[in-house]
Amino acid sequence: EAQVTQNPRYLITVTGKKLTVTCSQNMNHEYMSWYRQDPGLGLRQIYYSMNVEVTDKGDVPEGYKVSRKEKRNFPLILESPSPNQTSLYFCASSLSTGFIYEQYFGPGTRLTVT
Amino acid sequence: DAKTTQPNSMESNEEEPVHLPCNHSTISGTDYIHWYRQLPSQGPEYVIHGLTSNVNNRMASLAIAEDRKSSTLILHRATLRDAAVYYCILRAQGGSEKLVFGKGTKLTVNP
Repeated sequence: EAQVTQNPRYLITVTGKKLTVTCSQNMNHEYMSWYRQDPGLGLRQIYYSMNVEVTDKGDVPEGYKVSRKEKRNFPLILESPSPNQTSLYFCASSLSTGFIYEQYFGPGTRLTVT
Repeated sequence: DAKTTQPNSMESNEEEPVHLPCNHSTISGTDYIHWYRQLPSQGPEYVIHGLTSNVNNRMASLAIAEDRKSSTLILHRATLRDAAVYYCILRAQGGSEKLVFGKGTKLTVNP
């Protein structure tokens, strides 16, 4: 089954403790991206990747890192999480760039930073 | 950056058509317009996308204005399962791979 998976689905952590949220897709997609969703602000793009080793900033990249060493995986790294990063995170993938193809979204990761 | 504007909320009755508008006056001439929806407690899901001409699929229709500065998502017969937040999405600017989401329209469907 074609899908985007995220782990963990729920995470409660403390300020400053490094964490990684994994994202994996099994569709051989080139384009992957991370979003955060906050009440009243909708979905905002954090980072995106056009292919292996090619990443770029979205609208709200501060406090986040990403890497794309393999085509299927696009982990989101929070080196020193802070409470303002408490949010619902979505990973998405698309066949290619140019926003020509539909995006497939993962189920979401709810992160709470205390 | 390209920007999209959508009404915050709309309401419809079951079995009736729904027209969800989106303004995108700064759209680039080569950019597709995408629509996604998000049901409660789920990730966004693809609905439809188009470039210039109107598009139809099993979920909805997309009517794109001739000048491409606005578009309308049409649900032909709303059901209770269509209650969701609908997002109109563009690329940030021509050639960019950054995506811009509107705030979305929360659609309520009354039985």
